[in-house]
Amino acid sequence: AQSVAQPEDQVNVAEGNPLTVKCTYSVSGNPYLFWYVQYPNRGLQFLLKYITGDNLVKGSYGFEAEFNKSQTSFHLKKPSALVSDSALYFCAVSSDGGATNKLIFGTGTLLAVQP
Amino acid sequence: NAGVTQTPKFQVLKTGQSMTLQCAQDMNHEYMSWYRQDPGMGLRLIHYSVGAGITDQGEVPNGYNVSRSTTEDFPLRLLSAAPSQTSVYFCASSYSGTSGSSTQYFGPGTRLTVL
Repeated sequence: AQSVAQPEDQVNVAEGNPLTVKCTYSVSGNPYLFWYVQYPNRGLQFLLKYITGDNLVKGSYGFEAEFNKSQTSFHLKKPSALVSDSALYFCAVSSDGGATNKLIFGTGTLLAVQP
Repeated sequence: NAGVTQTPKFQVLKTGQSMTLQCAQDMNHEYMSWYRQDPGMGLRLIHYSVGAGITDQGEVPNGYNVSRSTTEDFPLRLLSAAPSQTSVYFCASSYSGTSGSSTQYFGPGTRLTVL
């Protein structure tokens, strides 16, 4: 069965420092991986996705994610955090190896960027 | 484009009442889905649809009903509300695309409380 794990409930980082939000996955077949962000009292917004190709995926707002097949990870990164990046971040994986658009979400990681 | 819209934004129900959460999209997306978001559990798929007239169950379908008579609309019905259905509900849509790689677009959510 497909699954995704976000091992950290919260990540704290100082403004200007690099940030990493971790995600590991378990899939059979090709991994289709996504990152979404949720600001308070808002819906989820798409950040980036990995389907195939380069292991480093660039997305919105300066975020990027590194796909690592051997470690089954898809960590979200940003070189320099902003206070406005503070939000809830979700990693997701296609639930059936890409046969449909059903997604399985991780439990979310709250990113807190201190000024 | 308005994107994905949901109504109402907030709703309070008494146990046993029924209601319909509305979802509409104006992007001509074939795929639509309903998720519920609960603290510490991420988003869980309730029902989904791959086109008008076609629906299927997700991970947590009990107590909910859906139909899809048009491409644009995908209402979620609570048949007899229970306190366990207190949650935030999100509707999402995407192109069916190829191999489950399509980006999903989320509505702003409906916050439901069942007393």
